[in-house]
Amino acid sequence: EPEVTQTPSHQVTQMGQEVILRCVPISNHLYFYWYRQILGQKVEFLVSFYNNEISEKSEIFDDQFSVERPDGSNFTLKIRSTKLEDSAMYFCASSGIRGGAAKTQYFGPGTRLLVL
Amino acid sequence: GEDVEQSLFLSVREGDSSVINCTYTDSSSTYLYWYKQEPGAGLQLLTYIFSNMDMKQDQRLTVLLNKKDKHLSLRIADTQTGDSAIYFCAETTSFSGGYNKLIFGAGTRLAVHP
Repeated sequence: EPEVTQTPSHQVTQMGQEVILRCVPISNHLYFYWYRQILGQKVEFLVSFYNNEISEKSEIFDDQFSVERPDGSNFTLKIRSTKLEDSAMYFCASSGIRGGAAKTQYFGPGTRLLVL
Repeated sequence: GEDVEQSLFLSVREGDSSVINCTYTDSSSTYLYWYKQEPGAGLQLLTYIFSNMDMKQDQRLTVLLNKKDKHLSLRIADTQTGDSAIYFCAETTSFSGGYNKLIFGAGTRLAVHP
C-alpha cells in the first residue's frame, strides 16, 4: 500500500540554524500539507501546497518557513532560522483531487525536531 | 473560529467496547475523520464519515454523527490491547479548490487493560 515517507525521523539543531525536513508524498497525489504537533498539544495545520504554489497557510507559517517541491517526488519544509519554540513533531500529508476518499489526507510518520 | 474538543483519557477493559467522543463547532464541516497515533508513530487514518451520513461501520469500528449537536463518536467493539493509542478527531470544511485543511482535536488517550 502506498504511503507517505519522511526523513529524517529525528533532527537536533542549534537555535538559529536552518533545517530542511523532507517528505515523499503518495505518488499520484496532487495536494501536499505540513502540520506540526508540539509535545502535548494539538496537531496544527501549517500549509497546503498545490500546483507548485501555496494554497493556504496558517498564522504559524511566517517568513521563517518555506515549502518547495524541488522535483517530481519530494516535498520539503524549510525553517530558515530555528527558534526553541519550533521544537515539535512535523507531519507531512498528501491527498488526491477526486472523490471523497481521494481527498482524505494520508500522513507520514513525522520528523521530530528538537531545537537547542 | 473552528474548534474540535475531545475528552483526554479513556480506560477500558480488554474485550469491552470503547466509545470516544468528539464535538466540533464548524457547521460547514463536510468530512469528519478519526486518526490513530501509536507511541512514537505518525497519524494513521482509521475511518471517515461524510456529513450527510449518520453512521458508518467498518469491521470493529462504528462512527456515529449527530450533525444537529455537532457530535461525533467512534465505537471500537471488542477492544484489544493493540488498540491502546491516542485517537484524534478531525474535521474539514468544504473542498473548494480541491485542497482542505484538517482541524484536529487534542486527542483521546485510550488505555486498554486486562
